[in-house]
Amino acid sequence: AQTVTQSQPEMSVQEAETVTLSCTYDTSESDYYLFWYKQPPSRQMILVIRQEAYKQQNATENRFSVNFQKAAKSFSLKISDSQLGDAAMYFCAYRSYFFGNEKLTFGTGTRLTIIP
Amino acid sequence: DAGVTQSPTHLIKTRGQQVTLRCSPKSGHDTVSWYQQALGQGPQFIFQYYEEEERQRGNFPDRFSGHQFPNYSSELNVNALLLGDSALYLCASRSTSGFTYEQYFGPGTRLTVT
Repeated sequence: AQTVTQSQPEMSVQEAETVTLSCTYDTSESDYYLFWYKQPPSRQMILVIRQEAYKQQNATENRFSVNFQKAAKSFSLKISDSQLGDAAMYFCAYRSYFFGNEKLTFGTGTRLTIIP
Repeated sequence: DAGVTQSPTHLIKTRGQQVTLRCSPKSGHDTVSWYQQALGQGPQFIFQYYEEEERQRGNFPDRFSGHQFPNYSSELNVNALLLGDSALYLCASRSTSGFTYEQYFGPGTRLTVT
């Protein structure tokens, strides 16, 4: 079974600064997907960024980028130029590559606070 | 384009009762998954429905059951409610057509069992 670990329950960053959220995972599969989801107080889980394990290039979406280290089973999220609207719970999630095995396995989350 | 919708928003039930939660997937989506998110935790996978059948199930007891209708909407039923069933229940949908695998989440139903 796959597991996802987020070792930082809470993080804070000054507005406009950069912050990195950590995530490690354990799997015996060679192909899979990794995601970062954001959950603001409104509760709606919003996809921030995704990474396919077979791609060596790290994914980037505007101010959000990942550092994917497959051998180390590490998948960190970097948020640049932090904005007040980035304040939320951030969850790292794993999904198997195989059709029919689509459950998302989530970590316990990191609460990100933005300091004005 | 409406996203994933869930009803009701909040629900309060008593131990031993039964509850039904509803989900309408995003337009064009045919697969629905349900997750339980306890306070302060990450979501836990309950099950997934595709073509009106349960395709995959997480580690949840048989008290948790579901259904998918021909229009792809879905229901989650929980029987004999326990205090520990209090949680946010999230529905997620995705489309199996095309090469896409992202799941889109609804706003959730907050269930409180007293």
